[in-house]
Amino acid sequence: QSALTQPASVSGSPGQSITISCTGTTSDVGTYKYVSWYQQHPGKAPKVMIYEVSNRPSGVSHRFSGSKSGNTASLTISGLQAEDEADYYCSSYRSSSPPYVFGTGTKVTVL
Amino acid sequence: EVQMVESGGGLVQPGGSLRLSCEASGFTFSSYWMSWVRQAPEKGLEWVAKIKEDGSEKYYVDSVKGRFTISRDNAKNSLYLQMNSLRAEDTAVYYCAREAIAIFGVVTYYYYYMDVWGKGTTVTVSS
Repeated sequence: QSALTQPASVSGSPGQSITISCTGTTSDVGTYKYVSWYQQHPGKAPKVMIYEVSNRPSGVSHRFSGSKSGNTASLTISGLQAEDEADYYCSSYRSSSPPYVFGTGTKVTVL
Repeated sequence: EVQMVESGGGLVQPGGSLRLSCEASGFTFSSYWMSWVRQAPEKGLEWVAKIKEDGSEKYYVDSVKGRFTISRDNAKNSLYLQMNSLRAEDTAVYYCAREAIAIFGVVTYYYYYMDVWGKGTTVTVSS
C-alpha cells in the first residue's frame, strides 16, 4: 500500500511553468485513467484541480494541465502565480485494496 | 450550496474510541459513494475508508481494518466513522469527501475522484 511517489518540492518564478511528477505502478497509474490532482493551501481542505488524468473541473484555471505516460502522471502549472503556492497531491484508483492511493505530496514555492 | 461539515473530533487516550460525523447538504446524499480521508500533522493525505450509496459495500485501508467502521444514514444525510482502539498514529485531521459521479438517466458514471470535501475535524490520540 505504498504511496505514489512525488518530488518533495518544486519551485519557479512568477510566469514560469513547472511540472510535478507522480510515479506509481501497473496496479494504479499505469493501468487506470482515474488519476487526479489536488491542491491544498495551509489549514485548508484539498481542492481537485485535475481528474481522469487531464480533465479540469469547472472553475479551475486553464493554467493547470495533466498528462500521463506509462506509470507516471504529471501536473503542469503554466504562468505560475503567487496563489499557486501550495501543496499538491496526486491520487489514483487501484486494482487492489485499498481502492485509492495518494501521492507523497509536493510543496510548490513561487520564488 | 453543496457542503459537508464534520464533527466529533477531540482528544482521546490511546485505546479509546471516538465517533466522527459528517453532515451533508445541498445534494442528494444517497446517490454518492462517500469516503473518509485523513492527514496526520505535517504529513500527506491518506485515504481511510469508503462506503457505497446504500451502505452495502465498505472498504478500508489496512491500518484501520478491524478498528474503524464506516457507516451512513441516508435519511439524515450523514456519514459516520466509528474509531475504536485508537493509537497515537491515528492522530490527524479527518475529512469526509464525496466521490464524483455523473448521472445519465438511469446510468451512473463514476469518476473515481473526490469532488467535494468538508473542512475536517481534528482527532488527537494522546495520554
